[in-house]
Amino acid sequence: SQQGEEDPQALSIQEGENATMNCSYKTSINNLQWYRQNSGRGLVHLILIRSNEREKHSGRLRVTLDTSKKSSSLLITASRAADTASYFCATVANDYKLSFGAGTTVTVRA
Amino acid sequence: DSGVTQTPKHLITATGQRVTLRCSPRSGDLSVYWYQQSLDQGLQFLIHYYNGEERAKGNILERFSAQQFPDLHSELNLSSLELGDSALYFCASSVANAPTYEQYFGPGTRLTVT
Repeated sequence: SQQGEEDPQALSIQEGENATMNCSYKTSINNLQWYRQNSGRGLVHLILIRSNEREKHSGRLRVTLDTSKKSSSLLITASRAADTASYFCATVANDYKLSFGAGTTVTVRA
Repeated sequence: DSGVTQTPKHLITATGQRVTLRCSPRSGDLSVYWYQQSLDQGLQFLIHYYNGEERAKGNILERFSAQQFPDLHSELNLSSLELGDSALYFCASSVANAPTYEQYFGPGTRLTVT
């Protein structure tokens, strides 16, 4: 079973626009991680945010975490064609197992 | 390149057979995680090893087993294969003994069971 659920399932944007995707989860977490996957290839770690953190930045990426609402968001600013990929949130609960959502497929149009 | 290697890249085999997938973690990482990615189940955590010992089990079938060797490479053994076992199998490595730090994923092994 999957703890995290991403929304939307798919997103199509113009190059230069911002992309926002959300992740909701059900149980208390130790941390939440975002990964990117390009078409059937390995996952690439983007950002890890711990349960006591509210916001983190990495380059053009911004992640927020609201533990009261059990939700997180990933914002990609000034998107590029190379950002076309699937994005997954993964939660780590007290069982210390990484549980992935179904992912958001992002397409950046030139 | 994450530094995690997996072999083979592709594997085609018949139902009922047994296969072994191999993973070498990044230099210095003691943890190895195995995941299965399929269209219907998504990404599922299978099992986690830390420095040769099993740390956590996820949705791993009894037909599947894994181990981590003294040189820290890991093998995932899949037996009595069924059509539904067709999937991408990823391993990931991490420095920590729990997923409290980022994991580095290998390129995956695509298993096709015919």
